[in-house]
Amino acid sequence: DTAVSQTPKYLVTQMGNDKSIKCEQNLGHDTMYWYKQDSKKFLKIMFSYNNKELIINETVPNRFSPKSPDKAHLNLHINSLELGDSAVYFCASSQYYGYTFGSGTRLTVV
Amino acid sequence: RKEVEQDPGPFNVPEGATVAFNCTYSNSASQSFFWYRQDCRKEPKLLMSVYSSGNEDGRFTAQLNRASQYISLLIRDSKLSDSATYLCVVTKASNYQLIWGAGTKLIIKP
Repeated sequence: DTAVSQTPKYLVTQMGNDKSIKCEQNLGHDTMYWYKQDSKKFLKIMFSYNNKELIINETVPNRFSPKSPDKAHLNLHINSLELGDSAVYFCASSQYYGYTFGSGTRLTVV
Repeated sequence: RKEVEQDPGPFNVPEGATVAFNCTYSNSASQSFFWYRQDCRKEPKLLMSVYSSGNEDGRFTAQLNRASQYISLLIRDSKLSDSATYLCVVTKASNYQLIWGAGTKLIIKP
């Protein structure tokens, strides 16, 4: 059983479109995250939710909107996609310092 | 200055050699330290935590120098399968949020 699963694995879309990425964890962790890893491989946190409550919201355009319907799910919706949004997006969950990552969603905006 | 800095490499090392790399952090109040490993096109995975007294896990040794604010990773008898990017991770003093270095790329050559 996959501990942190995110879908889709690959996403190719045109500029201006709206897309969503879904994430689910079955580890019982309280905290979930979205990270962005760009072409320079730098892993940067975007959002963090603890028990469905937003606790970290880094400087991210408001075209990005996370949604956590329950503590096992954290989805990411992106409006009006831009070329610069192309990156790999990782979902993760943690309990204290034990982080587990999903396998990533490679988003390509054309 | 970045909160966590690493030499991006790549470090090209012959199989069987010993390799070491460091990571420096800017916040002297940082509490916990980790090394993660990320294979190409994969998610980061925890390699080892770094304890104040230094710790070893098989061929891997991690050290923490609080006075100089750096952590190190030593890999002995390197294997081809050690080829990856090694990410230095430091926690913020106030919460469990992880601050990630950009990674050091290691290539082990036969």
